[in-house]
Amino acid sequence: GENVEQHPSTLSVQEGDSAVIKCTYSDSASNYFPWYKQELGKRPQLIIDIRSNVGEKKDQRIAVTLNKTAKHFSLHITETQPEDSAVYFCAASISGGGADGLTFGKGTHLIIQP
Amino acid sequence: DTEVTQTPKHLVMGMTNKKSLKCEQHMGHRAMYWYKQKAKKPPELMFVYSYEKLSINESVPSRFSPECPNSSLLNLHLHALQPEDSALYLCASGRYTGELFFGEGSRLTVL
Repeated sequence: GENVEQHPSTLSVQEGDSAVIKCTYSDSASNYFPWYKQELGKRPQLIIDIRSNVGEKKDQRIAVTLNKTAKHFSLHITETQPEDSAVYFCAASISGGGADGLTFGKGTHLIIQP
Repeated sequence: DTEVTQTPKHLVMGMTNKKSLKCEQHMGHRAMYWYKQKAKKPPELMFVYSYEKLSINESVPSRFSPECPNSSLLNLHLHALQPEDSALYLCASGRYTGELFFGEGSRLTVL
């Protein structure tokens, strides 16, 4: 089955700086790559996703890049703010998100230092 | 309505008890999921229901028994659980082409 590796496990950045989280996946058939943000005691919430026919996607301060050849994808957060502090999970799916669920990376605890 | 509703929010049970977790969505999604999440770990897939049929069982012990009575409801029946089964149980629903919507979860403690 799919295996997703995520780095780093903890990332501390100064408020206003950028943060980058990286993931690799093992199954070249995977074609859907979402990123979820989970605040303490809350549910995971989708913040951005990308499909294998696209190399980059941006939504305000958040962007995701995908390199299919290298089988890795990254989350970029610019101008970080205190409310960005959370655990971020990358995930991958073969079927586009639905039929086989998602395989998650181990998560990155992002800490925004004031 | 973009909500997935889970009940109860908290559950404490003994190892000999039988209890159920419930999940409901009214977004017309035909795929529903149970995930288990331990503290500081990612969600771990347990079951996938597709059009009300069990399509994936990730080698989950039989003390967990899922049920999908209709396209809006998903249950997880619990019996003879172990303390190591204590976790946050997340229900999710989604379309086949995109986002999974997660409920708030049911936090289970097994004594």
